[in-house]
Amino acid sequence: GDSVTQMEGPVTLSEEAFLTINCTYTATGYPSLFWYVQYPGEGLQLLLKATKADDKGSNKGFEATYRKETTSFHLEKGSVQVSDSAVYFCALSYYGNNRLAFGKGNQVVVIP
Amino acid sequence: ETGVTQTPRHLVMGMTNKKSLKCEQHLGHNAMYWYKQSAKKPLELMFVYSLEERVENNSVPSRFSPECPNSSHLFLHLHTLQPEDSALYLCASSQEVAGVYEQYFGPGTRLTVT
Repeated sequence: GDSVTQMEGPVTLSEEAFLTINCTYTATGYPSLFWYVQYPGEGLQLLLKATKADDKGSNKGFEATYRKETTSFHLEKGSVQVSDSAVYFCALSYYGNNRLAFGKGNQVVVIP
Repeated sequence: ETGVTQTPRHLVMGMTNKKSLKCEQHLGHNAMYWYKQSAKKPLELMFVYSLEERVENNSVPSRFSPECPNSSHLFLHLHTLQPEDSALYLCASSQEVAGVYEQYFGPGTRLTVT
């Protein structure tokens, strides 16, 4: 079945460091891909999305490129802030389908 | 503020109690969802309502009973819960835009079953 895999374990880094969170997917077709962020004590918020191959989603300094050849959608930010500390979820859905398949999420902790 | 509100934000209940969680969306969406988020487990989709009809029930125990009286409101009625049901319960809503459904989540209800 369709699934999303995120790298294991929390990510701890210093302020202004470069952040990468890996996301790969297994799908039978051509899904839309999403990154959601969950700040402490809150629900999930849509961070960015890409709906077709080679599309780049971007928001709040975060970027992710839909790579069909490697079935990946890695999240990157060039210079993180303490306020970026949160849990980040990768997800996919299909055209016309309202179901989302989520990865397990990655806790990101940014240290001043 | 995502346009999806949930009440209460925190709930402590005994195993014999009956309570309800409420979700309201102010976005004009036509699909609503209940998710369960437990520590160290993936996000679990519990129920999906589309146009006020339940279209998915992912093998959820009958002690959880959803209700969708209209497209803006969604309830989760709880009774005879177990301690392992303690979790964050998230509500979401969505609307199709060019074939893509973006889900918008509420802040969740933190449920503790004692």
